[in-house]
Amino acid sequence: GENVEQHPSTLSVQEGDSAVIKCTYSDSASNYFPWYKQELGKGPQLIIDIRSNVGEKKDQRIAVTLNKTAKHFSLHITETQPEDSAVYFCAAAANAGGTSYGKLTFGQGTILTVHP
Amino acid sequence: ETGVTQTPRHLVMGMTNKKSLKCEQHLGHNAMYWYKQSAKKPLELMFVYSLEERVENNSVPSRFSPECPNSSHLFLHLHTLQPEDSALYLCASSHQYRGLRTEAFFGQGTRLTVV
Repeated sequence: GENVEQHPSTLSVQEGDSAVIKCTYSDSASNYFPWYKQELGKGPQLIIDIRSNVGEKKDQRIAVTLNKTAKHFSLHITETQPEDSAVYFCAAAANAGGTSYGKLTFGQGTILTVHP
Repeated sequence: ETGVTQTPRHLVMGMTNKKSLKCEQHLGHNAMYWYKQSAKKPLELMFVYSLEERVENNSVPSRFSPECPNSSHLFLHLHTLQPEDSALYLCASSHQYRGLRTEAFFGQGTRLTVV
């Protein structure tokens, strides 16, 4: 089955700096890679995703890059703000088509702290 | 609010108690899920319920018993739990067809402490 490794487990940055979280996956059939943000006391929420037919996707201050050859993908947050502080999870799934995909395998999570 | 509501938000129970977690979704989805979130571990899918399937993770102990009376409600019945079962239990829902699912929306979770 799929195995997703996420690093670092904790990340502390100053407001305005960039933050990068990296994930690797094992199953070459995986073709859908979402990122979730979980704020304190809340469930995970999808913030951005990427499919294997693109290498990079941006949404304002958030970007995700994908390297299928190396089987890794990364989340980049620029101009970080204190409200970006949360736990971030990467995930991988196969059989993506349209808006659907197969079973998600999650990474272990990264606790991001943005200091004012 | 994501449209997925879980109750209670916090639960403390003894090892001999019986309790139930409740999840309700108002998104018109046809699949619901229970996840376990423990510290420093990946989200662990416990159960899937949809019109097509009921998937039970064989690694989940029988002291956890799911119930899905309809597509909008999901329960997790708990009995004779162990302290290591203390975790955040998350419910999610999505559309599912032929084994493929759309984006899952998560509830806020129930923080369970077993004493």
